[in-house]
Amino acid sequence: DAGVTQSPTHLIKTRGQHVTLRCSPISGHKSVSWYQQVLGQGPQFIFQYYEKEERGRGNFPDRFSARQFPNYSSELNVNALLLGDSALYLCASSPGQGIGTDTQYFGPGTRLTVL
Amino acid sequence: AQSVTQLDSQVPVFEEAPVELRCNYSSSVSVYLFWYVQYPNQGLQLLLKYLSGSTLVKGINGFEAEFNKSQTSFHLRKPSVHISDTAEYFCAVSGRGSQGNLIFGKGTKLSVKP
Repeated sequence: DAGVTQSPTHLIKTRGQHVTLRCSPISGHKSVSWYQQVLGQGPQFIFQYYEKEERGRGNFPDRFSARQFPNYSSELNVNALLLGDSALYLCASSPGQGIGTDTQYFGPGTRLTVL
Repeated sequence: AQSVTQLDSQVPVFEEAPVELRCNYSSSVSVYLFWYVQYPNQGLQLLLKYLSGSTLVKGINGFEAEFNKSQTSFHLRKPSVHISDTAEYFCAVSGRGSQGNLIFGKGTKLSVKP
């Protein structure tokens, strides 16, 4: 079975631009979470979606938004990019709501560089 | 709220030696605990998890971890490491009853030398 897939793998943008990152969960998984991993740090939680509804939000500005589609794939959007948004963006999927016992499976990530 | 502290940012070790990667957590509620591994330029792979029951948890690739509630620790161990174990290791916590988002430590880079 295919794992979590993310696109694109790498992306270079300039300050002030907008970016959309995409994630396809493992088949049968209904929950998608997004994490930001800045170089040298652990991943930080951004959003969780379950059954197309936002179920959790981390401490990120409103420039960050996301949505989940009927096929459970997801998009993460970031507006007005800042240099500090440069990071590896990870998507994780889980079968259920992801409450504790639900293992999260991570994709390979999208490396975003903001110049 | 939960937090995770990984006490060592880098751990160098020789091949076939034992290794312990330390993790302490803080939480006002009961938690689930996880160890993930990240190989260069890749995403995270689950090594093992503690949900309940036996405090000694065995995972993939010969790794194991022990949950110690009194010391709020979840240290990762392997009795004999290989060159291929060179990677970054992340400890993570999720509060029981939370929405399931993981709180990660800053990671420990394990370097296995021949």
